[in-house]
Amino acid sequence: DAGVIQSPRHEVTEMGQEVTLRCKPISGHNSLFWYRQTMMRGLELLIYFNNNVPIDDSGMPEDRFSAKMPNASFSTLKIQPSEPRDSAVYFCATQTQGARNTIYFGEGSWLTVV
Amino acid sequence: AQKITQTQPGMFVQEKEAVTLDCTYDTSDPSYGLFWYKQPSSGEMIFLIYQGSYDQQNATEGRYSLNFQKARKSANLVISASQLGDSAMYFCAMREGYTMKTSYDKVIFGPGTSLSVIP
Repeated sequence: DAGVIQSPRHEVTEMGQEVTLRCKPISGHNSLFWYRQTMMRGLELLIYFNNNVPIDDSGMPEDRFSAKMPNASFSTLKIQPSEPRDSAVYFCATQTQGARNTIYFGEGSWLTVV
Repeated sequence: AQKITQTQPGMFVQEKEAVTLDCTYDTSDPSYGLFWYKQPSSGEMIFLIYQGSYDQQNATEGRYSLNFQKARKSANLVISASQLGDSAMYFCAMREGYTMKTSYDKVIFGPGTSLSVIP
């Protein structure tokens, strides 16, 4: 199994630019989570999807952030326009349906906005 | 409101000794789950152990065990026989909101504890 695949692994961009982070879940996993990790705020849940439907986006910081899951094998997190305070590691994590199931993390996308 | 509390920002332990990392949580859901993850300096998140709220026994996985005290809402991680490779951040996480009807749930994380194993 290839695991959760995220791209890009590292991105440096200028303030104001659009950033798109991508995630390919493990095949068969029907829940998908986007997390943001910073030193100050730790691991924050931004949004999660179940069967491609956004269930809870209350963690999305503001309108500059949007997430989509057009099909079971792909999700994006977009920041437009990006700001320096968006610099963080963004993790995608997925799991199969079921109360006991583990969530598996991708390796993260390290974003720096200058 | 903080739903998961890890009161130890940093811990030190001597190699080969046991160490307990604290985690308390807050939920009104009768059905929930608790996880521990390890994050080494390389950044990946590694699953360690899981405890369901209805599990009768404390979870164990190799050198990891979870001291689950439901009434106190605590789920402490015990690492036995610490190794240098155990030096990392450790995160307690909670799944709540899951029901057989909705199958919806969310997993939130505590602030983490940094563990350093001393040779």
